[in-house]
Amino acid sequence: GESVGLHLPTLSVQEGDNSIINCAYSNSASDYFIWYKQESGKGPQFIIDIRSNMDKRQGQRVTVLLNKTVKHLSLQIAATQPGDSAVYFCAENWDNYGQNFVFGPGTRLSVLP
Amino acid sequence: KAGVTQTPRYLIKTRGQQVTLSCSPISGHRSVSWYQQTPGQGLQFLFEYFSETQRNKGNFPGRFSGRQFSNSRSEMNVSTLELGDSALYLCASSLAGTQNTEAFFGQGTRLTVV
Repeated sequence: GESVGLHLPTLSVQEGDNSIINCAYSNSASDYFIWYKQESGKGPQFIIDIRSNMDKRQGQRVTVLLNKTVKHLSLQIAATQPGDSAVYFCAENWDNYGQNFVFGPGTRLSVLP
Repeated sequence: KAGVTQTPRYLIKTRGQQVTLSCSPISGHRSVSWYQQTPGQGLQFLFEYFSETQRNKGNFPGRFSGRQFSNSRSEMNVSTLELGDSALYLCASSLAGTQNTEAFFGQGTRLTVV
């Protein structure tokens, strides 16, 4: 598959451990955020979203935290599995009526056996 | 249900040529967005079409254009190709095209300009 990013920051975690992936977003007017997962050879896949009126949202094995004061998002993955190995992107949007998202640079998560 | 289909998957073009990429959204989806993905710049929004109208446009030169047909299929065109246009071009479709409507991405078209 193609290389998503040759020089992405990489997070290596042991299988079964928790992972925390961080993202600094750019626009203080952004009011909606998404975390995406991109596996090699595939397009990004939606993981979880959060609105700016929330500071935490939980899904299945994933939690997103939002800190608007410092424009920071984090994605926590519980009990990380080999299938979680991928590149993770945060994306922000400030247009209620559009899909024009601004993506972060991405973090490569590598799960060690 | 079939996912988002992008054709072709791979393309090699010569500098100065033009290229047309195609995206077939999920059935019933009316919004199609296009993104360019490169190792240096990451994922960048190109434009969004909704009901055959361009609704949003990213910060790309006029050589990049697109359109959407009445069946929601979309094409993007790049004229006068430059080496820097080499990238993975992704399209995403969503049902309503609002901010919080989940978008589904295709596998992308890998364009190489030589």
